[in-house]
Amino acid sequence: QQQVKQSPQSLIVQKGGISIINCAYENTAFDYFPWYQQFPGKGPALLIAIRPDVSEKKEGRFTISFNKSAKQFSLHIMDSQPGDSATYFCAARSGGGADGLTFGKGTHLIIQP
Amino acid sequence: KAGVTQTPRYLIKTRGQQVTLSCSPISGHRSVSWYQQTPGQGLQFLFEYFSETQRNKGNFPGRFSGRQFSNSRSEMNVSTLELGDSALYLCASSLSGHNEQFFGPGTRLTVL
Repeated sequence: QQQVKQSPQSLIVQKGGISIINCAYENTAFDYFPWYQQFPGKGPALLIAIRPDVSEKKEGRFTISFNKSAKQFSLHIMDSQPGDSATYFCAARSGGGADGLTFGKGTHLIIQP
Repeated sequence: KAGVTQTPRYLIKTRGQQVTLSCSPISGHRSVSWYQQTPGQGLQFLFEYFSETQRNKGNFPGRFSGRQFSNSRSEMNVSTLELGDSALYLCASSLSGHNEQFFGPGTRLTVL
């Protein structure tokens, strides 16, 4: 079964620090890797996404690093702020888009002031 | 531009009943996907519709069904509700399904 394994399950980071969340996948047909942020009572919000033809993508304080040979990708949040406290999900998709997103189990991130 | 809207936001049903949830995608988006979110199983893909046609379906029983209308609005239906169907049901829209998916706030379904 297609899987995306996400770690850690929970993470506590001091304000101003770097938050790092990792994901690993098995299906080499995956060709799109987004990250979502979810606050309690809200739907997931798209943060940043990457395709396997690039190894890194940066948008503001958020960076995705992608290692195709290792089948791993990670989210780095620089200068983490208390407002970043949320649950983060990595996901992957194949099949040109008709397939649904396969999600990791999520990481509960807490940024301590 | 308005985001994805889902109605109702909260719903309480009893076992054996059926339920219909509604999703209005972002204007211009023609693809609608549905997901179930539970604490135990996380986010799981239910099905995806494009131009009124179901293009893909996740690993859910036939009690879960959906449809899409000509204006791209979508509904999902769950028949013969079970306690385990209690979940947050999320709808996501994209331009064509090959693009970014944007989620609505979800419908919280509680089955008693």
